[in-house]
Amino acid sequence: DVKVTQSSRYLVKRTGEKVFLECVQDMDHENMFWYRQDPGLGLRLIYFSYDVKMKEKGDIPEGYSVSREKKERFSLILESASTNQTSMYLCASSLRPALSPTQYFGPGTRLLVL
Amino acid sequence: QKEVEQDPGPLSVPEGAIVSLNCTYSNSAFQYFMWYRQYSRKGPELLMYTYSSGNKEDGRFTAQVDKSSKYISLFIRDSQPSDSATYLCAIGISSGSARQLTFGSGTQLTVLP
Repeated sequence: DVKVTQSSRYLVKRTGEKVFLECVQDMDHENMFWYRQDPGLGLRLIYFSYDVKMKEKGDIPEGYSVSREKKERFSLILESASTNQTSMYLCASSLRPALSPTQYFGPGTRLLVL
Repeated sequence: QKEVEQDPGPLSVPEGAIVSLNCTYSNSAFQYFMWYRQYSRKGPELLMYTYSSGNKEDGRFTAQVDKSSKYISLFIRDSQPSDSATYLCAIGISSGSARQLTFGSGTQLTVLP
């Protein structure tokens, strides 16, 4: 079974703090993704990575950065947290498109920024 | 216009009912079609996927794709309270890009015992 784990289920941070969200997958997947999920807006792609040290912006990259130093680990960084970044953050991984489009999700991190 | 539109719900049905969940999409280049199920406070999990027009059945679930109308549906027969969840359609292009999938906003389903 594919397993995608996220470092925290719940986080509470203050405005202006730097926030790190960690994601680890154990299936040697090439691709990793960070989404945020908000009521009525669905899943919105923040960033994705198709290889170690490679990344591409998604639909809403502003205020976020990412790091992928190892194949199994993909980190999302909020440089200076703001209240409008309160959300559910979901990490996913997949094989390269030629093999399978299926994305496997972690359990999510609920972030509250006060 | 969003690339993928999904009926937002919420949808509430009695146990045993047939449920129909729907999405429309605008990009005719989309090639594969998925349904994910997301229980409360959990990550989405893949329920079904298909590449072609027509129906695909898996137990009580049937995925239907009509590429000419750019319309996809998920039918749940004999719905159970355990089917209560948010259902997300996801549509993608098989290309060199890793980006792959565009998600609908999700339909929240409650099956009442």
